[in-house]
Amino acid sequence: NAGVTQTPKFRVLKTGQSMTLLCAQDMNHEYMYWYRQDPGMGLRLIHYSVGEGTTAKGEVPDGYNVSRLKKQNFLLGLESAAPSQTSVYFCASSVLAGGWNDKWGSGTDTQYFGPGTRLTVL
Amino acid sequence: DQQVKQNSPSLSVQEGRISILNCDYTNSMFDYFLWYKKYPAEGPTFLISISSIKDKNEDGRFTVFLNKSAKHLSLHIVPSQPGDSAVYFCAASAVFSGGSNYKLTFGKGTLLTVNP
Repeated sequence: NAGVTQTPKFRVLKTGQSMTLLCAQDMNHEYMYWYRQDPGMGLRLIHYSVGEGTTAKGEVPDGYNVSRLKKQNFLLGLESAAPSQTSVYFCASSVLAGGWNDKWGSGTDTQYFGPGTRLTVL
Repeated sequence: DQQVKQNSPSLSVQEGRISILNCDYTNSMFDYFLWYKKYPAEGPTFLISISSIKDKNEDGRFTVFLNKSAKHLSLHIVPSQPGDSAVYFCAASAVFSGGSNYKLTFGKGTLLTVNP
């Protein structure tokens, strides 16, 4: 089990360039998330997905697009990169809990994180 | 407006002593709380959680306490070890309050340094 993997680990872009970050999980999780972490800001949710073919906006979605064409993959795209998007990006996934007892007893909404992608936009 | 606050950016303790990390929240809809640990150049890893129907949850050296009336939770690490040195994030979700379901709101983190 690789858990949650992210590609690439590092990337440097010039302003205006585009790129796609790939997240893959092999735990059959329904929920997937993209966060960014900036110094002194904690983790902020960009977009998330509650299942294959679905996506939703998080706290800071502007400038990003996502797609969840396969259950195991969640892609984060930057169409026109800006220096403000310099950050460390983390992908996470979690199980869809089956019910009330499952939720309280097993902590199945625990999110499992990938190792991160460090992106610099010049 | 920050809904989950970790007011201490850093904490330094001696090996073998107790580490106490604090977290406050403002959203009364939050009913499930988690602590994550993060080492440099790695993703956060789940440490321990607590639901709002409990006031304490223990897992080995780690104990989380929840005071709902004060909207405050704390993580106790006893005894502290040098390998515990990391950034600790507090997170909260509104699992059954009709809120954000599986979305987590994170604090800014506290850097714990355990000195040998």
